[in-house]
Amino acid sequence: SQTIHQWPATLVQPVGSPLSLECTVEGTSNPNLYWYRQAAGRGLQLLFYSVGIGQISSEVPQNLSASRPQDRQFILSSKKLLLSDSGFYLCAWSVISEQFFGPGTRLTVL
Amino acid sequence: AQSVSQHNHHVILSEAASLELGCNYSYGGTVNLFWYVQYPGQHLQLLLKYFSGDPLVKGIKGFEAEFIKSKFSFNLRKPSVQWSDTAEYFCAVNSNNDMRFGAGTRLTVKP
Repeated sequence: SQTIHQWPATLVQPVGSPLSLECTVEGTSNPNLYWYRQAAGRGLQLLFYSVGIGQISSEVPQNLSASRPQDRQFILSSKKLLLSDSGFYLCAWSVISEQFFGPGTRLTVL
Repeated sequence: AQSVSQHNHHVILSEAASLELGCNYSYGGTVNLFWYVQYPGQHLQLLLKYFSGDPLVKGIKGFEAEFIKSKFSFNLRKPSVQWSDTAEYFCAVNSNNDMRFGAGTRLTVKP
């Protein structure tokens, strides 16, 4: 069966520090991968999606970036965090339309 | 722009009350429709989905949703809610691998 891992589960970072959140998927090949940010009352905002290694599409211009160095690995990064980057970040994968979500990372920027 | 609208931000019901959560979307083409649920402290998980066929879809835990193409709607229903249904519910629409979520509806069921 397929499994999706995210780490860390929680993270507290100072403003201006770098960020790296990792997501890995097991049990499937060539999945579509997604990064979302979930904010209270605003649902899920799609940040990035990837249909293959090295292929990244950005939905919202911001100081975050994403990379897909391996088929089942998706990384969300920032060079300098802003206060507004605080939130709950979800990784998801899909093969045919339906998406499956990871446990999420709660990021607090102080 | 394509969008998904959930009309209610927070719904409060007593146990055994009936539930209907609204969802409307603005896509014009072929769509796949989903309802996801997030129980407190847990992952987002799929409640039910519609790809094709019977527009009345049955999901887990007694939930169902009806796809009404002419109204661009996919409302979620449950005839009798339980305290354990307290959660946040998200409607989602996928068209050509473009997946969009609604803002979510928080459901609180009072015992």
